[in-house]
Amino acid sequence: QKEVEQDPGPLSVPEGAIVSLNCTYSNSAFQYFMWYRQYSRKGPELLMYTYSSGNKEDGRFTAQVDKSSKYISLFIRDSQPSDSATYLCALSRDNQGGKLIFGQGTELSVKP
Amino acid sequence: GAVVSQHPSRVICKSGTSVKIECRSLDFQATTMFWYRQFPKQSLMLMATSNEGSKATYEQGVEKDKFLINHASLTLSTLTVTSAHPEDSSFYICSAPPGQGLNYGYTFGSGTRLTVV
Repeated sequence: QKEVEQDPGPLSVPEGAIVSLNCTYSNSAFQYFMWYRQYSRKGPELLMYTYSSGNKEDGRFTAQVDKSSKYISLFIRDSQPSDSATYLCALSRDNQGGKLIFGQGTELSVKP
Repeated sequence: GAVVSQHPSRVICKSGTSVKIECRSLDFQATTMFWYRQFPKQSLMLMATSNEGSKATYEQGVEKDKFLINHASLTLSTLTVTSAHPEDSSFYICSAPPGQGLNYGYTFGSGTRLTVV
């Protein structure tokens, strides 16, 4: 069993839709949770960072963490064609040098 | 926010030559730098972890003599692909955790696309 599971998609939605991306993990030692967006042939870009259960909102993005269920989500409201990219969840045990464990990445396509 | 500058963004080299990739932390001190390799349509694969002032730690199956990592200062880490071969062609990315006492996510470089011909 992988430490972090993420549906690779691809996921295709119409412009303006709400997108839900999810990851599950198996080890309760993970305490820091990140979502990255990666465009083709570019480095990952940090979208959201959180370390507690609950919701965190930043513009059109909401990150949700449920430590009891070992489940994290990223919601994108009013999706735009420019949101078309691969989204990676990443988890770590600490944020001072511990390894990041990545999900497989979900390829998202937002159609105009 | 933190910025990691990675160069070059793209390089083409002949088989048998060596290529150096640099990652610099621009506005924070990176005591640790992670080096990843990514194949098309796949997630990032951790190759090694460099720590300033000490030897790098390589993941299982990664040849340390082929992928030389140096972390000479708190702002610079380099990856040298020695005697490159076509199978080394890939996308290489570096990443640094936040500086001491800072509380935000890990920062990635923009990546280097290596093509060995």
